[in-house]
Amino acid sequence: QKEVEQNSGPLSVPEGAIASLNCTYSDRVSQSFFWYRQYSGKSPELIMSIYSNGDKEDGRFTAQLNKASQYVSLLIRDSQPSDSATYLCAVILTGGGNKLTFGTGTQLKVEL
Amino acid sequence: EAGVTQFPSHSVIEKGQTVTLRCDPISGHDNLYWYRRVMGKEIKFLLHFVKESKQDESGMPNNRFLAERTGGTYSTLKVQPAELEDSGVYFCASSQAVWEQYFGPGTRLTVT
Repeated sequence: QKEVEQNSGPLSVPEGAIASLNCTYSDRVSQSFFWYRQYSGKSPELIMSIYSNGDKEDGRFTAQLNKASQYVSLLIRDSQPSDSATYLCAVILTGGGNKLTFGTGTQLKVEL
Repeated sequence: EAGVTQFPSHSVIEKGQTVTLRCDPISGHDNLYWYRRVMGKEIKFLLHFVKESKQDESGMPNNRFLAERTGGTYSTLKVQPAELEDSGVYFCASSQAVWEQYFGPGTRLTVT
């Protein structure tokens, strides 16, 4: 079992819809969770961080964390074609110092 | 504020040669990280500096890789001698706080 798992996709959603991206992790006592967006050939861009159970909203993005279920998700409201990218889930695992452990990423396609 | 910069953006070398990658972190960021993504795999941690000191080098694959951070500013990652399996994209990231890491554009290394 991988430490951080994501569905590779592609996930296709129509413009204006809500895109829901999911991530599970193996370490039940992890405390720090991040979502990065990566356009093809570009660097990962930090878009959300979440540390506590519940929801965290920033503009059109909402991160949801459920530590009991070891599950973190990213919702993108009013999806735009410019949101088409790969979304990487990253976790700082217990005992891992400050290093990020990444999932393989989910490719999102927002269609006109 | 300038972001993380990396040089070169792309390097093609022959097996057995030496390559040095450079990373300039965001000004004032004491934490500097190196990551690598090989084709088809997730981004993986290589090492972490706090100022000029190596905090965690658990991800360094072998002793052909040498990382330095002169005076706690920029960092270099040298691969000597390069092997075919070293090909991939090498990312540098920096952070001020211990959790949120900001990535550079990466160096694409191709070993032929």
